[in-house]
Amino acid sequence: EPEVTQTPSHQVTQMGQEVILRCVPISNHLYFYWYRQILGQKVEFLVSFYNNEISEKSEIFDDQFSVERPDGSNFTLKIRSTKLEDSAMYFCASKQSGSTDTQYFGPGTRLTVL
Amino acid sequence: GDSVTQMEGPVTLSEEAFLTINCTYTATGYPSLFWYVQYPGEGLQLLLKATKADDKGSNKGFEATYRKETTSFHLEKGSVQVSDSAVYFCALRQMRGSQGNLIFGKGTKLSVKP
Repeated sequence: EPEVTQTPSHQVTQMGQEVILRCVPISNHLYFYWYRQILGQKVEFLVSFYNNEISEKSEIFDDQFSVERPDGSNFTLKIRSTKLEDSAMYFCASKQSGSTDTQYFGPGTRLTVL
Repeated sequence: GDSVTQMEGPVTLSEEAFLTINCTYTATGYPSLFWYVQYPGEGLQLLLKATKADDKGSNKGFEATYRKETTSFHLEKGSVQVSDSAVYFCALRQMRGSQGNLIFGKGTKLSVKP
């Protein structure tokens, strides 16, 4: 069964460094998402992406964040200058079409900012 | 804004016990409602969903009924198994546009003992 994959599973970085979290969505999916979950808190929406552009973003997704689909398979989340409060589990998700409710999630990347 | 509240965990049950995980929501309009499950080391998987009032979603012995009058979507299972040990997330899909980002509850960790 096709699945969303994410790499790395765990990323440790120093405050102020740039990180790129990578996701490979399911191949025929058109809508892509990033969510995050700070330890002990809710899973929060960050951004959605469709047709090579951001379609919606939350207040969390400020200028330090960016997303890109550099080729036909990868979907990346970049944090330019990490802060301690960026430490969280980051989930990528994809969906086949606009009329479909079901988003398929990856296993997540745990980001630890020291 | 829209939000989801689910019961705090962790919940510890013996095998074959009855499970209820409460979930209530606040939303404008008529959102779709979901339960996702996260097994250890894996991503979020859709467990069941309901798209309109009085719909019952069911899967793997779990069920939940969309109750608009009480704005609830409680998850139930008549007889849990050790393999049901996981974190369960209640979520709603906002109805803005077709991208439909999800709003999640905090998650409830279930541990089932043999």
